[in-house]
Amino acid sequence: QKEVEQNSGPLSVPEGAIASLNCTYSDRGSQSFFWYRQYSGKSPELIMFIYSNGDKEDGRFTAQLNKASQYVSLLIRDSQPSDSATYLCAVKGGSNTGKLIFGQGTTLQVKP
Amino acid sequence: GAVVSQHPSRVICKSGTSVKIECRSLDFQATTMFWYRQFPKQSLMLMATSNEGSKATYEQGVEKDKFLINHASLTLSTLTVTSAHPEDSSFYICSATQGGGGGSPLHFGNGTRLTVT
Repeated sequence: QKEVEQNSGPLSVPEGAIASLNCTYSDRGSQSFFWYRQYSGKSPELIMFIYSNGDKEDGRFTAQLNKASQYVSLLIRDSQPSDSATYLCAVKGGSNTGKLIFGQGTTLQVKP
Repeated sequence: GAVVSQHPSRVICKSGTSVKIECRSLDFQATTMFWYRQFPKQSLMLMATSNEGSKATYEQGVEKDKFLINHASLTLSTLTVTSAHPEDSSFYICSATQGGGGGSPLHFGNGTRLTVT
């Protein structure tokens, strides 16, 4: 079992719709959870991070965390073609080393 | 926000030569930096954790004698790919965290595209 799992997609949604990206992790001691966006040929850029169970909203983005189910998701409202990218879920373990373990990423396609 | 600068952005070298990649934290001190590698259509794989003033910690399967890491100051870490081979061609990305504790997000450099011919 991979430490961080994502569906590779592609996930295709029409412009203006809500895109839902999901991620599960295996280390129950994980403390911090991050969503990065990566455009082709570029390095990842941080979108959001979440530490506590529940929802965290930032503009069109909402991160959701359920530690009991070891599940974290990212919702993108009013999806735009510019949101088309690969979204990487990353998890920081409980060992406090600071290192992030990445999922394989989900490719999102927003069609105009 | 925290800025991480990586240089060069792209390098082509011949098989057998060595390549050095620099990673700098521009507006903060980074006691720890991380080096990742990404092959096409794959996720980021952590290679090593670079600690200022001490030896790097390498992930399983990463050859420490091939990928030399030096973290000489709080703002600079370097990765040297020694005796590069075509299979080392990849996208190398450094990252650093700004704050202490386990919760601070990582900020990434722009990456270095290495092509070994």
